[in-house]
Amino acid sequence: EAGVAQSPRYKIIEKRQSVAFWCNPISGHATLYWYQQILGQGPKLLIQFQNNGVVDDSQLPKDRFSAERLKGVDSTLKIQPAKLEDSAVYLCASSFGLGNTGELFFGEGSRLTVL
Amino acid sequence: QKEVEQNSGPLSVPEGAIASLNCTYSDRGSQSFFWYRQYSGKSPELIMFIYSNGDKEDGRFTAQLNKASQYVSLLIRDSQPSDSATYLCAVVQGAQKLVFGQGTRLTINP
Repeated sequence: EAGVAQSPRYKIIEKRQSVAFWCNPISGHATLYWYQQILGQGPKLLIQFQNNGVVDDSQLPKDRFSAERLKGVDSTLKIQPAKLEDSAVYLCASSFGLGNTGELFFGEGSRLTVL
Repeated sequence: QKEVEQNSGPLSVPEGAIASLNCTYSDRGSQSFFWYRQYSGKSPELIMFIYSNGDKEDGRFTAQLNKASQYVSLLIRDSQPSDSATYLCAVVQGAQKLVFGQGTRLTINP
């Protein structure tokens, strides 16, 4: 079974530039998550989708971050304009349902460096 | 107060000893608790989950939950060098939002 796919794996940009990350979840997984993990910290939930609807985006900096999940399958996370403090690994995860009684399956992450 | 707080590390344990990792959470209504392991440069992977008060054992791992004290712990018996990683406590809060602690880095010394 294919895992969660993310791209690109690494991205280096200058501040005020834009970047987009793509995620394809495990087939059949209704719930998709984007987490931000800054070095030395635990993952912080940015946005959670159930199919193509947003369940939680309370910690998404909406003035610069946006995310969409068209057709309830793959998802894109965009940052525009980027700040130095956005340097982090962006983790996409998926699970079968909203209940979180099951396991979250993480992709390998997209490492962003903002100079 | 942080939503999910773990004991500060790093934690260093000799090979073969018991490693004890602790976590407290602020939302008294939380019902589901998870321990994830994250190797350096890798993504988190689930190792244990617990929903009921008491102990849950899986091989060398034991998760302990005390909802009255809002406390979760993970014990690793017969620690191996391959157990060296960062351990993340995660708690489901509110409308099925999974919140992670800051992690405790564990090193097993041969």
